[in-house]
Amino acid sequence: AQSVTQLDSQVPVFEEAPVELRCNYSSSVSVYLFWYVQYPNQGLQLLLKYLSGSTLVKGINGFEAEFNKSQTSFHLRKPSVHISDTAEYFCAVTFILTGGGNKLTFGTGTQLKVEL
Amino acid sequence: DTGVSQNPRHKITKRGQNVTFRCDPISEHNRLYWYRQTLGQGPEFLTYFQNEAQLEKSRLLSDRFSAERPKGSFSTLEIQRTEQGDSAMYLCASSLVGQGRYGYTFGSGTRLTVV
Repeated sequence: AQSVTQLDSQVPVFEEAPVELRCNYSSSVSVYLFWYVQYPNQGLQLLLKYLSGSTLVKGINGFEAEFNKSQTSFHLRKPSVHISDTAEYFCAVTFILTGGGNKLTFGTGTQLKVEL
Repeated sequence: DTGVSQNPRHKITKRGQNVTFRCDPISEHNRLYWYRQTLGQGPEFLTYFQNEAQLEKSRLLSDRFSAERPKGSFSTLEIQRTEQGDSAMYLCASSLVGQGRYGYTFGSGTRLTVV
């Protein structure tokens, strides 16, 4: 079975400071990993994804994440946050369904609150 | 391409009533997914379609829930005899066959409140 653990439910940070949102996963097979962002009363927007290859992946809005297979982690980072980054962030792993579809298993989310 | 569209955005209903939500995926996307997100949780998979065929259903999808995609385009999710525990955000997403591993496109969701 696959699962995702987001270790921090809330992360407060001052504007222009760096931030890391932690994500650990468990899976018995090779995985694809994702980070999504959700603004209040909105759906989810894909920030970045790891499929294979380079373990450092870059996404939108200046975010990046590093896949670490030995530690089964996929932490999200940004060197300097902005007020507009305040949102809920979800880590997810994909699982292949009957018929070939892809099911995303999400973590419980991390609320990033950027303060002045 | 206007993205994935969900209607209504908000629905308040009394316990015991039936509700139906609609999802219009990106026009060329042949896979369509439904997820449910309760407060403080990540989204959970409910079901998915490839064209008009419903290929998998989660155990979360009780007998009161039914989803259809009759012509392989838009989809509806119906909840019969709603309960307070059904209060959640219902999210729809779509992708092309073979492209889902790159991440789906999600709609803005329908927030259901059962009173």
